[in-house]
Formats: sequence, C-alpha cells, structure tokens
Amino acid sequence: AQSVTQLDSQVPVFEEAPVELRCNYSSSVSVYLFWYVQYPNQGLQLLLKYLSGSTLVKGINGFEAEFNKSQTSFHLRKPSVHISDTAEYFCAVSDLSSGTYKYIFGTGTRLKVLA
Amino acid sequence: DTEVTQTPKHLVMGMTNKKSLKCEQHMGHRAMYWYKQKAKKPPELMFVYSYEKLSINESVPSRFSPECPNSSLLNLHLHALQPEDSALYLCASSPLAGTEAFFGQGTRLTVV
Repeated sequence: AQSVTQLDSQVPVFEEAPVELRCNYSSSVSVYLFWYVQYPNQGLQLLLKYLSGSTLVKGINGFEAEFNKSQTSFHLRKPSVHISDTAEYFCAVSDLSSGTYKYIFGTGTRLKVLA
Repeated sequence: DTEVTQTPKHLVMGMTNKKSLKCEQHMGHRAMYWYKQKAKKPPELMFVYSYEKLSINESVPSRFSPECPNSSLLNLHLHALQPEDSALYLCASSPLAGTEAFFGQGTRLTVV
C-alpha cells in the first residue's frame, strides 16, 4: 500500500531564510502529488500539485516543489520565508494504480518562522 | 466560485442527539470527500463520493452516515456519537477522484 513520509515533524527557520520540507512516498508507477498548508483552526489550502509534465512545480505564496521519480520524493521549498508562513504543511499522494484514487496524507511538518 | 462551504462551523452535541453536517460546492467537481482530523494529526479519509456514488468507505462506524443528494451537496449524518468522535470534520471536493482537492473550513464537533 502507498505510504507518505514527512521525516521532519517540526522545522524552525529564521525569517527571510530558505526552507525545505521533505516528503517521500513509497514506490508507485503512477501518482499525483500535492502539498497543502493548514493554519490553526482552518481547513487545508492547496499550495501546489504535480499531475504530469515538468518536474518543477510552482505554487502559491512563492513555494515550489520538485518531483523526483527515482528518489520517490516531492520536497517543498521556499527561498525566503515570512512570519506568516508559520503553519502545518502536509504532503499528499494520490495513487492512481490502486484504482481507488484516495489521498494519503503524510503526518505533517510544522514550520515555525522565527523573527 | 472556488469555495467549499461547510455548515455549521461549530457543533456541540450529546451522545443521544442526531445532527447533520453539510457541505456545498459549485465548482462542478464530481468527487467529494469527508475527512476527520484530530488535533496535531493529518486528515483521515472517511468517505469518497464519485459521480454521486459512494466509492470509498474507510470502515467508518455506522453512527456516521454520508449522503450525496446531488453533485453539489454532501451531508454527514451523525447519531449516537461517542466523545472520542470529537474532532474537526473536513469536507473536500475535486474535479475527479484523486485530483487536486479543495477543502472547506471544517466543522469543529464536540461530543459531550
């Protein structure tokens, strides 16, 4: 069965510094990949998606991610973070080969931006 | 309109009550989902509707009963819940099952 690993449960970073949040998924022939952000007491907001095509995906709020099929990774990056980026970030995978098309979420990474 | 609207935002119910959560989207999406999220945990999938038919039920207890009256609406009927069912319940929709999902703000449910 498909699984998603976000190794870092918490990532502290200073304002205006770059950040990378890591996401690895178990091997599959065909997947869709997503990153979501969740602010306290709110729903999830889609940051970016990889369905096909270019492996470098740009999203909202200056975030980007790179799909690496050989390493089964989809790491999220931002060159310069702001205090307002403090939130929980979830990586999600939709395994097309399973036929069920259900999302599998990682355990989340709490990004804390320090002044 | 790119919103998924959930009502109510907060709900407190007793263990003998019957209540319903409602979800609406007008994006023409053909897949809709219910998720349960406990504090500091990722969302857990409960149900998936695709083209108004239930396609996935993740072994959810029968005290949770989903309903999809039409392509824009999704309900979750609650009956005889337990305190451990207290959580944030999230609705989402996507153009097709498995594609990018758009989430509502959730209903914060407390069972007393």
